[in-house]
Amino acid sequence: GQNIDQPTEMTATEGAIVQINCTYQTSGFNGLFWYQQHAGEAPTFLSYNVLDGLEEKGRFSSFLSRSKGYSYLLLKELQMKDSASYLCAPMDSNYQLIWGAGTKLIIKP
Amino acid sequence: IAGITQAPTSQILAAGRRMTLRCTQDMRHNAMYWYRQDLGLGLRLIHYSNTAGTTGKGEVPDGYSVSRANTDDFPLTLASAVPSQTSVYFCASSTSGGEDTQYFGPGTRLTVL
Repeated sequence: GQNIDQPTEMTATEGAIVQINCTYQTSGFNGLFWYQQHAGEAPTFLSYNVLDGLEEKGRFSSFLSRSKGYSYLLLKELQMKDSASYLCAPMDSNYQLIWGAGTKLIIKP
Repeated sequence: IAGITQAPTSQILAAGRRMTLRCTQDMRHNAMYWYRQDLGLGLRLIHYSNTAGTTGKGEVPDGYSVSRANTDDFPLTLASAVPSQTSVYFCASSTSGGEDTQYFGPGTRLTVL
């Protein structure tokens, strides 16, 4: 079956760095997406990885290892506005996104 | 401003009633999707459409129907609502049905009593 595993909740301090891990099992693979979702709002796109390695985009970076079925999202210089849920979503062979339940990130001053 | 709109924002519905959730996008995207999001669960795909005139079933299609008469609109209909359909419903669109990024509407919060 298809499965996504990411921590339910994480806490970090403003200004620090946090890494949110995601492991996945899918039927085929066409890349992996990370989305941010603030409470009561829609998911918004953060990153897309299809090849192994690190993709950097400002304060956010995303890493993919296809052989290990593993990805992480790295957030640097944390700000209070980064408090949100972060959703890991690999795309299967039918180009359908398989969504994890998300990691709720709490930022403390 | 380009994007996706959904209506209504929220709705309380009696069980057994028929309800249509509306979704419109002005980005000329070919593909559109309907998801439901329940507490503690990931987004689940209900139905999708890769292009106007075609639709497909997702992971949880039972009790829902869709149509795609044109590029811009993708309504979701609950023929006879049941309490288990209480959820937040998100419409999304992407350029094509492939690996393109999906962009989400603001959502409809539906409560079935």
